[in-house]
Amino acid sequence: EPEVTQTPSHQVTQMGQEVILRCVPISNHLYFYWYRQILGQKVEFLVSFYNNEISEKSEIFDDQFSVERPDGSNFTLKIRSTKLEDSAMYFCASSLQGADTGELFFGEGSRLTVL
Amino acid sequence: GDSVTQMEGPVTLSEEAFLTINCTYTATGYPSLFWYVQYPGEGLQLLLKATKADDKGSNKGFEATYRKETTSFHLEKGSVQVSDSAVYFCALLRGGSQGNLIFGKGTKLSVKP
Repeated sequence: EPEVTQTPSHQVTQMGQEVILRCVPISNHLYFYWYRQILGQKVEFLVSFYNNEISEKSEIFDDQFSVERPDGSNFTLKIRSTKLEDSAMYFCASSLQGADTGELFFGEGSRLTVL
Repeated sequence: GDSVTQMEGPVTLSEEAFLTINCTYTATGYPSLFWYVQYPGEGLQLLLKATKADDKGSNKGFEATYRKETTSFHLEKGSVQVSDSAVYFCALLRGGSQGNLIFGKGTKLSVKP
C-alpha cells in the first residue's frame, strides 16, 4: 500500500542550526502538508502546498520556516534557525484532492529535538 | 477561534466493551468533521468523516454523527477489539480551508483481552 515516508525519524540539533525535514508523498498526490505536535499538545497545522506554491499557512509558519518540492518527489520543510520551542514531532501529509474532499495520508513523523 | 475538545484519556476497556469518545467543537460556518486514528509506530489515518449536519460517518465498526445542535461528533463502537488500541483524534476543517485541520488533543484507547 502506498505510504508517505519521512526522514529522519529523529534529529537532534543545536539551537540556531538549520534543519531540513524530508518527506516523500504518495506518488500521484497533488496536495502536501506539514503539521507538528509539541509533546503533550495538539497536532497543529503549519502549511499546505499545491501547484508549487503555498496555498495556506498558519501563524506558526513564520519567516524561519520554508517548504520546497525540489524534484517532483520530495517535499521538504526547512527551519532556518531552530529555537528550543521548535522541538516537536513534525508530520508530513499528502492528498490526491484538496483537504475538503480528499483524504490526507500522514507519515509517521520526524521527531526534532533542539538543545 | 475554531477549536476541538475531546475527552481526556487514557481510556481502558475490556474486549467487546462499548466505546464512546466524546468530541465537541467550536467553529464559525459549517466545518467538516473527522476522526483520525494513530496506531503505535504509524502515522495518523483517516477513520471516518462527515461533511454536513446529521451526516453519519462510519468505518471498521466505528460511527460518529455530526450534530450541529450540540456541536458534537462523538465516536462510538459497539464492541471493541484489542486491535483497536490506538490514539484517536477528532478534527475539523473550516469550509474553504486548504488543509488547516484543527485537532483535539487525542484520546489514547487501550483494549485488554
